[in-house]
Amino acid sequence: AQSVTQLDSHVSVSEGTPVLLRCNYSSSYSPSLFWYVQHPNKGLQLLLKYTSAATLVKGINGFEAEFKKSETSFHLTKPSAHMSDAAEYFCVVSPLTGNQFYFGTGTSLTVIP
Amino acid sequence: DVKVTQSSRYLVKRTGEKVFLECVQDMDHENMFWYRQDPGLGLRLIYFSYDVKMKEKGDIPEGYSVSREKKERFSLILESASTNQTSMYLCASRERKRDGYTFGSGTRLTVV
Repeated sequence: AQSVTQLDSHVSVSEGTPVLLRCNYSSSYSPSLFWYVQHPNKGLQLLLKYTSAATLVKGINGFEAEFKKSETSFHLTKPSAHMSDAAEYFCVVSPLTGNQFYFGTGTSLTVIP
Repeated sequence: DVKVTQSSRYLVKRTGEKVFLECVQDMDHENMFWYRQDPGLGLRLIYFSYDVKMKEKGDIPEGYSVSREKKERFSLILESASTNQTSMYLCASRERKRDGYTFGSGTRLTVV
């Protein structure tokens, strides 16, 4: 069975400090993994994706994520938070087989001025 | 860039009405999806389609149907709207799985 666990439902950081949003997955085979961002009352925008190439993936707006197979994790990081980063973030897994994607329940990021 | 357009940002409908939510994508993608998003429940798949006139049930198809007569358009239909269908509805399309989804901006539906 596939599943995605976002370990924190809410994260609060000060502007200019690092961001860490945690995601663990379970999948029978090597999946594709994605992070999406959703600003209030908007659709989801792709931040970055891992598809079995380099394990450190760079995305838009300075975000990165590292695929660690041994830990079944795909944590999202950013060195320095900006006010515009305040949003909901979703970790998504796409198993090797089947059509479905599986979404985590989301992490709400608050950035304090 | 791929664009997925949902025809309405906000809709208010009455209980029992038939509701159509429209979604159009402009990049010739084979696969299209309808999700609903609710606080605390995340995104849940309602239906998806992998080709014209083809459809598959997702996790929560009850109370919904879909139509895909043309490749670029995927419609979600609420046959008789109920208050528990008040939600944010998100349409997405993709070509290959490794590409991920492209989402529309969402339709916030309120059923009163």
